[in-house]
Amino acid sequence: TAGITQAPTSQILAAGRSMTLRCTQDMRHNAMYWYRQDLGLGLRLIHYSNTAGTTGKGEVPDGYSVSRANTDDFPLTLASAVPSQTSVYFCASSDSGLGSPLHFGNGTRLTVT
Amino acid sequence: RKEVEQDPGPFNVPEGATVAFNCTYSNSASQSFFWYRQDCRKEPKLLMSVYSSGNEDGRFTAQLNRASQYISLLIRDSKLSDSATYLCVVQGGGADGLTFGKGTHLIIQP
Repeated sequence: TAGITQAPTSQILAAGRSMTLRCTQDMRHNAMYWYRQDLGLGLRLIHYSNTAGTTGKGEVPDGYSVSRANTDDFPLTLASAVPSQTSVYFCASSDSGLGSPLHFGNGTRLTVT
Repeated sequence: RKEVEQDPGPFNVPEGATVAFNCTYSNSASQSFFWYRQDCRKEPKLLMSVYSSGNEDGRFTAQLNRASQYISLLIRDSKLSDSATYLCVVQGGGADGLTFGKGTHLIIQP
C-alpha cells in the first residue's frame, strides 16, 4: 500500500545521544514535513522541504536538522538529545500547491531520559 | 490573536445527536481549508477538504465563511466511533503554508 513510513515506532534515548528519525514516502510528493506533537501545544512544525534539495525551518527548528537528498526520504536528526525533545514526531507529505492535503506517517514516540 | 483557533472541548455528546464546532482563522489570505481527525496516539487523518460552496460527505458537513473567517464541521447522527480529536488546518500564506489548530476533543457517549 502506498503511503508514508516512519521508523522507529518508538525509542528511548539517553540525553546527549544523537538519533535519526527516518521518513520515507512512495507517493512522489514534492513537499515533506516534520512535526512534533505535545499535549496542550498541538502540532508544531519543525522543518519542511518543498522539493528535493531544499529545506526550510518551521516554528521549532532548534536542536533538529533535516536533509532532502531525494524525493522519497526526509530524515530528522537530533544531534544531542535533551529531555524537552520528548515528544511524538510525525512526518507528513503532500503534493505541491494549494489545496493539497497532508498525508501523515504513523509517528515516532521518542522519550529522552 | 492566534492564527487558527479551536475550542478544545471536550464536547460530550449523546450517541445519535448532532454536533457542530467551528474553527476561526486570522489570515484573510488563507485559501485552502481542511478538517482532520486524530484518534488517541495515532496520526492525523484527512476527514474532508472544505470548499467555498460547502461540502458534505455522508454524515459530515463542512462549511466556509470567508467574511467571518471561520470554518465549521457538523456531524449528524453521531456514532461512538466519531469520538476523536478534530483538527482544523488552514493553508495559504507563510513559507510552509499550513497552520494547524490545536484540535477539538469530541466524546460520543452511549
